[in-house]
Amino acid sequence: EAQVTQNPRYLITVTGKKLTVTCSQNMNHEYMSWYRQDPGLGLRQIYYSMNVEVTDKGDVPEGYKVSRKEKRNFPLILESPSPNQTSLYFCASSNLGLAEREQYFGPGTRLTVT
Amino acid sequence: RKEVEQDPGPFNVPEGATVAFNCTYSNSASQSFFWYRQDCRKEPKLLMSVYSSGNEDGRFTAQLNRASQYISLLIRDSKLSDSATYLCVVNTDSGGSNYKLTFGKGTLLTVNP
Repeated sequence: EAQVTQNPRYLITVTGKKLTVTCSQNMNHEYMSWYRQDPGLGLRQIYYSMNVEVTDKGDVPEGYKVSRKEKRNFPLILESPSPNQTSLYFCASSNLGLAEREQYFGPGTRLTVT
Repeated sequence: RKEVEQDPGPFNVPEGATVAFNCTYSNSASQSFFWYRQDCRKEPKLLMSVYSSGNEDGRFTAQLNRASQYISLLIRDSKLSDSATYLCVVNTDSGGSNYKLTFGKGTLLTVNP
């Protein structure tokens, strides 16, 4: 089954404790992206990657890091989480070859930073 | 003007009604347009792409007006299962890349029995 998986699905942590949210896709997609979704603000792009070792900032990259060492994986790293990073996070992937560029989303990770 | 702007609603309509959503975008160089659907606390899923000539998929019709920089989504004969948030999505990378998408904040639709 074609899918994007994220782990963990739910996480409660404390300020300053480094964490990583993993994202993996099994569709051989070149493009992967991270978004955060907050009430009243909608989905905002954090980082995206067009291929292995190619990453770029989205609209709200501050406080986040990413890496793309393998095509299927695109982890999101919070080196020193803060309460304003409490949010619902989505990973997405798509095939750059498709004109429609449909993005397939993971199920989301709900992060709470206290 | 915000990059992508939608009427947040909420829209409350009875079953069988026709409902229309509009979305405006600020970058005249935008090339790709989509409508996504998001159910409560779930991931967004593509509803339909929007083509220059307009396109239809069953009860759903999407239109693009480049001159006025807006796209629309029309839902005919609405069903209870259409209740969701509808997201307008536009590529807004001014460099001409189609790789960076910007989402509107979404329009909440509730279809009532």
